Amino acid sequence: AQKITQTQPGMFVQEKEAVTLDCTYDTSDPSYGLFWYKQPSSGEMIFLIYQGSYDQQNATEGRYSLNFQKARKSANLVISASQLGDSAMYFCAMRERASGSARQLTFGSGTQLTVLP
Amino acid sequence: EAGVAQSPRYKIIEKRQSVAFWCNPISGHATLYWYQQILGQGPKLLIQFQNNGVVDDSQLPKDRFSAERLKGVDSTLKIQPAKLEDSAVYLCASSKRGTAEVTEAFFGQGTRLTVV
Repeated sequence: AQKITQTQPGMFVQEKEAVTLDCTYDTSDPSYGLFWYKQPSSGEMIFLIYQGSYDQQNATEGRYSLNFQKARKSANLVISASQLGDSAMYFCAMRERASGSARQLTFGSGTQLTVLP
Repeated sequence: EAGVAQSPRYKIIEKRQSVAFWCNPISGHATLYWYQQILGQGPKLLIQFQNNGVVDDSQLPKDRFSAERLKGVDSTLKIQPAKLEDSAVYLCASSKRGTAEVTEAFFGQGTRLTVV
């Protein structure tokens, strides 16, 4: 079974509008973390936002917020006031205890976001 | 603070040749990861080190891939012999701790490998 599922291969949004990128996850670890990374065409992976499984409030970082619905196992990324520079690939990732004491960081397949002028 | 350093940035080799990638993590980061990212896909974990010990290499094709992290700092990933399907970007990442806390991983710029 997929650990991280991103069902939107591509998304388009008009500049200055908000956009939601979907992410669902599957884990039996009660203590896990959810991350979103941005990967521009240049290739580097840029950390955007983090949500811990025990966090009561949704994480926010500037224009990024994470809509965390634990019961539904979803961790959607919301980007407000989109900018042209937001055009990139976005990956949802989960850190969980995989074996012994090691924690793995597993990525979804990504969503390509294009911001239109 | 210096980021994760990787070299080379690009490499083109013929199939059946060997290649090595180098990674220098952020100072003080105990956990080091090597990921393989095939074009259009998400990164796939190949191997995870905690200090100089391997904690997960379940997805590493051990018949051709090897990795080491001497002295718990720098790491090298080797492919011998390379196959066409090894063409990908190889990403190195590091994080402060891999066991006790959930913390973000910081990535290098990657090495783009093309096998022809």
